[in-house]
Amino acid sequence: KAGVTQTPRYLIKTRGQQVTLSCSPISGHRSVSWYQQTPGQGLQFLFEYFSETQRNKGNFPGRFSGRQFSNSRSEMNVSTLELGDSALYLCASSSLGGRDEQYFGPGTRLTVT
Amino acid sequence: AQRVTQPEKLLSVFKGAPVELKCNYSYSGSPELFWYVQYSRQRLQLLLRHISRESIKGFTADLNKGETSFHLKKPFAQEEDSAMYYCAPPLTGGSYIPTFGRGTSLIVHP
Repeated sequence: KAGVTQTPRYLIKTRGQQVTLSCSPISGHRSVSWYQQTPGQGLQFLFEYFSETQRNKGNFPGRFSGRQFSNSRSEMNVSTLELGDSALYLCASSSLGGRDEQYFGPGTRLTVT
Repeated sequence: AQRVTQPEKLLSVFKGAPVELKCNYSYSGSPELFWYVQYSRQRLQLLLRHISRESIKGFTADLNKGETSFHLKKPFAQEEDSAMYYCAPPLTGGSYIPTFGRGTSLIVHP
């Protein structure tokens, strides 16, 4: 099976812009989660989608949003970028979420200048 | 609410020494915990989960409900074990936010 893929792998944006990140889960997986990884904070949960519905959301401002399509692919959007949004954004898929193992993508490195 | 904490940011040992990476949890309900590992320039991947009770790459982790711990142990560390290790709860939805531990960087010196 092909692993979780994320595009783009690297992105440089300026403050105030918006960005959309994409994640393709493992075939057959219906749960997709997004995380922000930074050296100081570790992995911070952003949200989880399951069958096109947001099932859970972390403590991030409304500038962070996401969606999932019928083929389970997911996108994450960050509007009005701030310098502090610079991070590695990880996507993970699992069969059904819940207590299943998560499979992580390589991440998208976002740099905000 | 469910939360895991990893008290050590960095653990430095010599090859052949025993290793214990600590993870404590606060949990309501029946716990299900995971250890994920991230080697340099590789993606995060599952190392082991408590429900499987397996030994992976020589690592084991036992759930201790009395101490609310899920420490990761290996009797003899190898240089290739150097990596970032994360203790993690499951995704369970609702008002619970799955919070990974902040990670422990393990460095094994030759």
